[in-house]
Amino acid sequence: GQNIDQPTEMTATEGAIVQINCTYQTSGFNGLFWYQQHAGEAPTFLSYNVLDGLEEKGRFSSFLSRSKGYSYLLLKELQMKDSASYLCAPRGGTDKLIFGTGTRLQVFP
Amino acid sequence: DADVTQTPRNRITKTGKRIMLECSQTKGHDRMYWYRQDPGLGLRLIYYSFDVKDINKGEISDGYSVSRQAQAKFSLSLESAIPNQTALYFCATSDPLRTEYGYTFGSGTRLTVV
Repeated sequence: GQNIDQPTEMTATEGAIVQINCTYQTSGFNGLFWYQQHAGEAPTFLSYNVLDGLEEKGRFSSFLSRSKGYSYLLLKELQMKDSASYLCAPRGGTDKLIFGTGTRLQVFP
Repeated sequence: DADVTQTPRNRITKTGKRIMLECSQTKGHDRMYWYRQDPGLGLRLIYYSFDVKDINKGEISDGYSVSRQAQAKFSLSLESAIPNQTALYFCATSDPLRTEYGYTFGSGTRLTVV
């Protein structure tokens, strides 16, 4: 079967670092995406991992371990505008993205 | 102009009415998708199309139909709308030759069935 598990909600303080974890089970695997989605808006692309390891892009980094079915998104120097939902989306063997329910992050001053 | 355009942005309709949501794209992508999003349930795939002559059901296709009129256009129809189809609907596109870029989403259509 296919399953994605990530925390429903997280809170953090402006300027801090937060790590959002995702575990997944898919039929086949062709990479994993992280998307950011502000309330009522479209998801926007944040990162893509296809090999094990860490991908860094500015304040955001994403890690993948294919053998463990595990990924995390690391957000540094949090800003108020980072308050949003973060969607973990592995791509299965049929080449379609499978979306988790997302983690709603609230950043407080 | 947006790369992926959805119309309408908001729609209120009555139970039993037929409604069409439209999606058009200027990205030249072959692949197009329709998702619905409900609070606490994430994005769920309704239908997808990998080229003009290709239509595939997703995980929640019952009560919906689609038409891929051209590479750039992919429409979603609700033949007889019911209240539990109230949701935020997203169209998305992808390029099979640039899979590392994932999907590009439209701005969404908020549909309310009363």
